[in-house]
Amino acid sequence: GAVVSQHPSRVICKSGTSVKIECRSLDFQATTMFWYRQFPKQSLMLMATSNEGSKATYEQGVEKDKFLINHASLTLSTLTVTSAHPEDSSFYICSARDPRQGDHNEQFFGPGTRLTVL
Amino acid sequence: GQNIDQPTEMTATEGAIVQINCTYQTSGFNGLFWYQQHAGEAPTFLSYNVLDGLEEKGRFSSFLSRSKGYSYLLLKELQMKDSASYLCAVGDSNYQLIWGAGTKLIIKP
Repeated sequence: GAVVSQHPSRVICKSGTSVKIECRSLDFQATTMFWYRQFPKQSLMLMATSNEGSKATYEQGVEKDKFLINHASLTLSTLTVTSAHPEDSSFYICSARDPRQGDHNEQFFGPGTRLTVL
Repeated sequence: GQNIDQPTEMTATEGAIVQINCTYQTSGFNGLFWYQQHAGEAPTFLSYNVLDGLEEKGRFSSFLSRSKGYSYLLLKELQMKDSASYLCAVGDSNYQLIWGAGTKLIIKP
């Protein structure tokens, strides 16, 4: 099956710093990747859809200048949390579609990144 | 609007059977997914239904009725490791998944 990796798995940073999270599709080329955020005991919240070679599409209420997404290649998308604050502490998860599936919408998830902002 | 409903929490006994229901109202439909998520981990794929009927995969089965906007996930021979959240998601025409809030399943000995 399709494998998605995410790095780092856990990061602790000081308030005001920026943090970059990488999402990679290891055995397929992902034209579309998704970034989610999940707070404790809540469901997944889609932040943005990342398309290779074009600007990301952000969901309503998500600040594009704060959450910078770059999908520069077919196997890599990055999410940068700029000027992080304690309220940005959350579990960030990326996922990707395998275009070889055709109309099948299954998303393959990375293992997630636990961000803690002090 | 788009809406997916599933119970917040369910409790079942080890060895028993449990059915988790999901109802949906979406502007488009391109398949219904069930994912399992253990605490602190990313979701993992369980099942996919795009046509009406029952899909069986080992101890897990998933049912879909498109006319009723209804699905269920059936878990048999429950094991303690099945304690997790179960997420229902509907695929829309833009290849996005619309997520339910998840059902936390608690298995008791």
